Amino acid sequence: GIQVEQSPPDLILQEGANSTLRCNFSDSVNNLQWFHQNPWGQLINLFYIPSGTKQNGRLSATTVATERYSLLYISSSQTTDSGVYFCAVLNYGGSQGNLIFGKGTKLSVKP
Amino acid sequence: DAGVTQSPTHLIKTRGQHVTLRCSPISGHKSVSWYQQVLGQGPQFIFQYYEKEERGRGNFPDRFSARQFPNYSSELNVNALLLGDSALYLCASSLPGKNTEAFFGQGTRLTVV
Repeated sequence: GIQVEQSPPDLILQEGANSTLRCNFSDSVNNLQWFHQNPWGQLINLFYIPSGTKQNGRLSATTVATERYSLLYISSSQTTDSGVYFCAVLNYGGSQGNLIFGKGTKLSVKP
Repeated sequence: DAGVTQSPTHLIKTRGQHVTLRCSPISGHKSVSWYQQVLGQGPQFIFQYYEKEERGRGNFPDRFSARQFPNYSSELNVNALLLGDSALYLCASSLPGKNTEAFFGQGTRLTVV
């Protein structure tokens, strides 16, 4: 099956710093999503980005499907950005598909 | 519009007991999936249902079962609970197909003692 690897596993930043999170996947995918998991466990949708580049405020993401990786950029980080960031790709089988998640990047932003 | 809603939010059960978790998808979404997330890991796929039929199953024992109702809500059932079943259980809903975005509920945190 598809393997999803995220790096780095842990990241500590000072407030105001920029960061780049990486997601590598082992096979072609039709669907890639980035999520932020808050301390209460809720997975919050950041980007649906099977290819190309998208931006939403201080966050942006780029997926290069042909090279099997995606990047999540966080600029001017804030303490509220702390949490775990997951990349997930769609494993398409049968008539539907399920998401395969990486192990996540745990981000801590210090004031 | 309401997002994906799950109930209960927290649950404590004893080993050997049975548990039922519930999920209501976003209005208009007909596909519901269940995931288990243990501490320090990413969510793992358990089941997917679409139009009341099972469309996918992950690598979980037969103690885990699910169903989808005519209003597209879903239940996840776990029998003979083990300590290792303690986890956050997440429900996701989406439109059908491979090029659609999944949205998750807040999860049910199950503790087995």
